[in-house]
Parts: sequence; C-alpha cells; structure tokens
Amino acid sequence: EAGVTQFPSHSVIEKGQTVTLRCDPISGHDNLYWYRRVMGKEIKFLLHFVKESKQDESGMPNNRFLAERTGGTYSTLKVQPAELEDSGVYFCASSQVGVMNTEAFFGQGTRLTVV
Amino acid sequence: AQTVTQSQPEMSVQEAETVTLSCTYDTSESDYYLFWYKQPPSRQMILVIRQEAYKQQNATENRFSVNFQKAAKSFSLKISDSQLGDAAMYFCAYRSGLRTGTASKLTFGTGTRLQVTL
Repeated sequence: EAGVTQFPSHSVIEKGQTVTLRCDPISGHDNLYWYRRVMGKEIKFLLHFVKESKQDESGMPNNRFLAERTGGTYSTLKVQPAELEDSGVYFCASSQVGVMNTEAFFGQGTRLTVV
Repeated sequence: AQTVTQSQPEMSVQEAETVTLSCTYDTSESDYYLFWYKQPPSRQMILVIRQEAYKQQNATENRFSVNFQKAAKSFSLKISDSQLGDAAMYFCAYRSGLRTGTASKLTFGTGTRLQVTL
C-alpha cells in the first residue's frame, strides 16, 4: 500500500512567486493534516481536513496560504506570494477518522526555500 | 494550549549502547496521547512508540521504551542496543484525548538529532 506522498520534494522560488505543494494521503484516510517546520524549530500545525472540509485552520499563518482538498482526496497548499519567512519543510499527514489512537502517517515533506 | 519541550538538540551514542532522549510537556488535560516519531535523513517520519496517558504501564516496542511520568509531565525515550539505523531526528509529540475534530492535531517539540557512532 502506498504511503503519504508529497510533491515536489524540494522547491526553490524567488520572493513574490507562487508555489503549490501537493499531498496524496493514504487511500481511505479522511483526515489530512498540514504541518510546517521552520529551520531548527518545532513542527507546527497548519490545518486539518476531514474529507474535503476544513476542520481546523487555526495554524495557517496568514492569507497568503490557501489549502484545498477537492473531492476529499489529494490536497494542495498554495503560497502566494511567497515571502522569505515561508521557507521550511512542509509535512503532510493522514489518518483514519473515528479511531482515537490511530497513527498519523507522514509524507517525507517538501523543502521550500524562498530566496 | 499544550506545549512540548525537547531540551536536547543533539545527542550521540555509541553503537550497542543505550541512550535516553528527554521530553517534557505541559497540559491541563487528563486524557491525552504521547508519541515519539523518528525522521531519518530525507525520509518519511515514522511512529516509533505511543503512550496513552490513562495507562500506567510504560510502552515498549522492541529496543524502544518510554519512561512516562504523568505527574512530572515527562516522557523520555530509551533506545537500547543502539544501531546505526537509529540515527535520525526524533520528535516528541502530544495529542489531546478529547473527541472533537480540532483535538486530533499533534503538538511537537523541536526535535533531538541522534548520532550513532561506531
């Protein structure tokens, strides 16, 4: 069974450009999470989808970030326009709904560098 | 809000030896879950071990075990008989036990980079 897949693995863009990150969760996982780790700091929660609905977007830093999950399958996270402080590693995770101690499975992350 | 603190940015252990990674957390909740995740270089983060707060017995998974001290809000990870493949970033994480949709997110510490030497 395929795990959580993220594209691209690396992205280097200039300040002011737009970047779209993609996450394909494990099939059948209705929970999908986005997290971000800025260099040397903790991994921080960005938002949580249940199927196609945003359950919690309290961690989204500002309105330059837009996440979507059309059809409740894969998700995209768009940053527009990108700023230097957006650099970091963006992780996606998925899990089953309705099982409290279920494990969250992570992708390998997208390393975003804004120059 | 919950916080997770890992006070050891880097640790080193010799192959076959034992190492303990520290983690403390702060919460006002009584029901929650604690996790240790491992991220090898350029690879996916994987779950190493989990602990339910209501369980007094410390979790064990092969060479990995935890020392869960609920009153002290401490959750350390012990790796026995360390192997080269254990070299990775280790993240301690907390999740609420509340059965609400917004409670299922993880709160992470800053991570501990573990080096394993010959």
